Amino acid sequence: KNEVEQSPQNLTAQEGEFITINCSYSVGISALHWLQQHPGGGIVSLFMLSSGKKKHGRLIATINIQEKHSSLHITASHPRDSAVYICAVGTYGGSQGNLIFGKGTKLSVKP
Amino acid sequence: NAGVTQTPKFRILKIGQSMTLQCTQDMNHNYMYWYRQDPGMGLKLIYYSVGAGITDKGEVPNGYNVSRSTTEDFPLRLELAAPSQTSVYFCASTEDSFISGANVLTFGAGSRLTVL
Repeated sequence: KNEVEQSPQNLTAQEGEFITINCSYSVGISALHWLQQHPGGGIVSLFMLSSGKKKHGRLIATINIQEKHSSLHITASHPRDSAVYICAVGTYGGSQGNLIFGKGTKLSVKP
Repeated sequence: NAGVTQTPKFRILKIGQSMTLQCTQDMNHNYMYWYRQDPGMGLKLIYYSVGAGITDKGEVPNGYNVSRSTTEDFPLRLELAAPSQTSVYFCASTEDSFISGANVLTFGAGSRLTVL
């Protein structure tokens, strides 16, 4: 079993829809990251959170430490949101600097 | 701001050849990382460095070497390339005071390597 599981693997939405991507993990974490990988391949960090909720524009990330679960929400989705969204967790054990990455959720938003 | 710069963006190698992927950051970050991304898999850590002169192995270090002579540069060397090293490689960096993944990563644009 992977230590970081994302669902769904693929997601197709119509422009304007509310989108939710889920991330579950099985290890104790110091922080959880949400990353966006553009179709061209570049990766940018969207959020880093260890509790509660963060919001940036149309993106909202939440985390429930007790349930070991995080969600990334996109409100009023747009075709430019089409990308792969990656969840990653930092852990207290293991080699320093090692994040455990999920396999990503590929989002396609149709106009 | 340049951030993290990787070169080359694309490269095709023959089995047994060697090459170096270059990574430079201009943010004065002490912590730098090399990851590989294979299709359908999460990123895997190859090597990392916590400062000039200090490097350590990550999860998948075999077939690679690194050096960190300056804060800015963290090159990844592939010796005797093998088809299993066909992948997309990402360099990344974080600020000081790294605490087990609790710092935001800044990634380079990636380098797509094919070994034939």
